[in-house]
Amino acid sequence: DQQVKQNSPSLSVQEGRISILNCDYTNSMFDYFLWYKKYPAEGPTFLISISSIKDKNEDGRFTVFLNKSAKHLSLHIVPSQPGDSAVYFCAALSQGGSEKLVFGKGTKLTVNP
Amino acid sequence: DVKVTQSSRYLVKRTGEKVFLECVQDMDHENMFWYRQDPGLGLRLIYFSYDVKMKEKGDIPEGYSVSREKKERFSLILESASTNQTSMYLCASSYPHGSDTQYFGPGTRLTVL
Repeated sequence: DQQVKQNSPSLSVQEGRISILNCDYTNSMFDYFLWYKKYPAEGPTFLISISSIKDKNEDGRFTVFLNKSAKHLSLHIVPSQPGDSAVYFCAALSQGGSEKLVFGKGTKLTVNP
Repeated sequence: DVKVTQSSRYLVKRTGEKVFLECVQDMDHENMFWYRQDPGLGLRLIYFSYDVKMKEKGDIPEGYSVSREKKERFSLILESASTNQTSMYLCASSYPHGSDTQYFGPGTRLTVL
């Protein structure tokens, strides 16, 4: 049973435009969400996170939005750059629970020059 | 700067061999994790450890065991490698709380023939 879903395996956008990566979750106990970015042949690196007490968190070109009622979060990258081309993983955890991260399957973003 | 290192970037083994994957972190992190990444399946947790000599099963522990004799080192053991264990193996470490960022190593691409 997949608790964190990234329904788009891939996304292609033009340089300078907005990239929107989506993530849905089913476990209502999740209260902390993270995005990781992974380049080929490297380990994932932390990008941005959001607690369930917020609905938005911004860090430079990256913004994460959380809609708790819809159990949906999204990562916006504006403007997109070719160096953003990578696989993006959404992850969630329940801080009062096992505290293990549950990852989605990832979305491969390609930013075309 | 946090550093998580893994003993090998690429490894080729034969079916039935015993395989050791080593991971070392230099940040005095309490938590250490082993994941495998497969196309279309994302990151799946094999085992994690929250202290020396402590371990907990993740989502897919079958066919694997782990060892944590020292705080900085976490080993993943494939007792008898099988072809379905061909994968990218990723080690991560973090401070104790689930919301703390996990820092990943570069990964070991294991091929079992």
